[in-house]
Formats: sequence, C-alpha cells, structure tokens
Amino acid sequence: QKEVEQNSGPLSVPEGAIASLNCTYSDRGSQSFFWYRQYSGKSPELIMFIYSNGDKEDGRFTAQLNKASQYVSLLIRDSQPSDSATYLCAVNKENYGQNFVFGPGTRLSVLP
Amino acid sequence: ETGVTQTPRHLVMGMTNKKSLKCEQHLGHNAMYWYKQSAKKPLELMFVYNFKEQTENNSVPSRFSPECPNSSHLFLHLHTLQPEDSALYLCASSQGGTAGGQETQYFGPGTRLLVL
Repeated sequence: QKEVEQNSGPLSVPEGAIASLNCTYSDRGSQSFFWYRQYSGKSPELIMFIYSNGDKEDGRFTAQLNKASQYVSLLIRDSQPSDSATYLCAVNKENYGQNFVFGPGTRLSVLP
Repeated sequence: ETGVTQTPRHLVMGMTNKKSLKCEQHLGHNAMYWYKQSAKKPLELMFVYNFKEQTENNSVPSRFSPECPNSSHLFLHLHTLQPEDSALYLCASSQGGTAGGQETQYFGPGTRLLVL
C-alpha cells in the first residue's frame, strides 16, 4: 500500500461547481496534512494545512480531516478555470519533525 | 528577494559533467529539503537538513551530494549523472527544529535538469 494515495484524475468539473479532491494515508500516526496546487511547469504552492479532525475553511477552499478513517479532502467552491492544476496531498508523519510524504496528485480541469 | 530561490532554473549536462544546484531561503527557516519530481511520479524526498545537520537521506545514489553550509543555503552537487536523473529538482524550507509547532514547507521554483 502506498503511503499517500490520490486519484490521478483528470477530474473535470464545470465552472462554478464544487470540486472535491480526496486523499488517503497509511500511517495512522501522521500528524499534519497539506494541500498544494501545482500548475504545469511550476513548483508546488501551499493552499492549506490542517492538523485537527474536522473542517478548516479559507476562502473558497475547505479542508476536511478524518484521522479515524485516515482520510483528508479538499473542497473547492465556485471552481474557476484558473483552478485547473494538479493538487498534491502531503502528510507529515512526525509531530515535530520533517518526515513529509507526498501523494501522486490529482489533475483538476475546470471547464468554462 | 523573498521566499525560496533556486539557481539555475534550467540545466543541461552531459553524463561526465559536474554541476551544482543552489537553493537559498529568505524565510528565517532552519530546515531545508531537496526533492526530485519526475514525470508521472510523486515528489520524492531526497535529503533533509535541520539546523545544518542531515536528518534524512532516502537511499539517494552517491552521484547526488548535498551540502548545507548554513540554515539559509543548500546545494546539490551532481556528478556522472544518468539520463534517468532528468527531472525537476525542487528545494523547500520549513521552520525546523523539534521544539514544538507544526512544520509547513514552502517550495522554490525548481531547477529543470536534462542529462544527455
């Protein structure tokens, strides 16, 4: 089992819809969780991080964490064509360390 | 200059060449990272430095040699690379240490490397 798994996509949604991106992780002791956006040919850009179970909202983005199910998701409301990118889920397996593992990414396409 | 910078942005080298990648962070962080990103593969963590001490080396071939002279600078020395080493090499930094708090990584723009 891979440490961090994501559907590779592409996930296509119409403009204005909600895009839902999912991520599962295998290490039950993982402590912190991150969503990055990566445009083609560019480096990953941090969108959100979440440490506690539940929802965390930031503008059009909502991260959801369920540690019991080892599941983290990212919702993008009112999707725009500019949101078209690959979304990377990352997990830090240590509470006060630097042991990061990335998923393969989900490619999102928002259709005008 | 802000954030994390990397030079060069593009590099073409032959298999017998020696070159170095440079990373500099202006965020006051104490941990720095090298990642490799190949087409259709997840980001692969190569090396981690925390307060200039190497804490992770994920079975990286010896033809890649990191150097961290201080908390703001990180180098990746390359020699006798193979064509399969062609990839995007990303540097990142985070707060570092073990005194508490959560780590959040910020990435540089990357160096696109092509080995002929």
